[in-house]
Amino acid sequence: SAVISQKPSRDICQRGTSLTIQCQVDSQVTMMFWYRQQPGQSLTLIATANQGSEATYESGFVIDKFPISRPNLTFSTLTVSNMSPEDSSIYLCSVANRVGTDTQYFGPGTRLTVL
Amino acid sequence: AQTVTQSQPEMSVQEAETVTLSCTYDTSESDYYLFWYKQPPSRQMILVIRQEAYKQQNATENRFSVNFQKAAKSFSLKISDSQLGDAAMYFCAYRSRDNYGQNFVFGPGTRLSVLP
Repeated sequence: SAVISQKPSRDICQRGTSLTIQCQVDSQVTMMFWYRQQPGQSLTLIATANQGSEATYESGFVIDKFPISRPNLTFSTLTVSNMSPEDSSIYLCSVANRVGTDTQYFGPGTRLTVL
Repeated sequence: AQTVTQSQPEMSVQEAETVTLSCTYDTSESDYYLFWYKQPPSRQMILVIRQEAYKQQNATENRFSVNFQKAAKSFSLKISDSQLGDAAMYFCAYRSRDNYGQNFVFGPGTRLSVLP
């Protein structure tokens, strides 16, 4: 399995600002994903980060609110834009080694609090 | 759409005892994967065990085993000889075999406490 790190591990932000979360993997991976985990809730997929092309967003999530970059096979960023308290969540990056493989591995998460 | 249900929001077990966490799912597909992930307070999601639906044999990983009942759409996790480090949120997850987008459907989770 890959070793995944996320920065920052936590942050407290003001309403209306934006935060960019970084996800770094220690090896090249085919697929990278971003999830949101609201307080006390399960995980919801935000989008699949595609290397060299626009991310694929799930229903209810839009690029203007959650722009994603994936410049190479080991790195991705998720930006939470124009934040409101409802965006307070844990944001998790996950990876899969190849298309069609069944298992995803998760980063440690970023805990975001919006005041 | 597939759904995953975990009917036990919280469970507790004495250290060294055995506990079973329940998971049921709803799908019209015949081939898929099922997973149990563990999320300790550190937030790191850790894969505990996986099961391929076409395999009748229940998966086992050391102290962790599953009872996979395909007809009943049930996928319970048994933890034997529970240890303090097993305390965590446990999520059951489903993934369609043909879903190359690899979207997981997660259950709501079960919080497991281990009592010394």
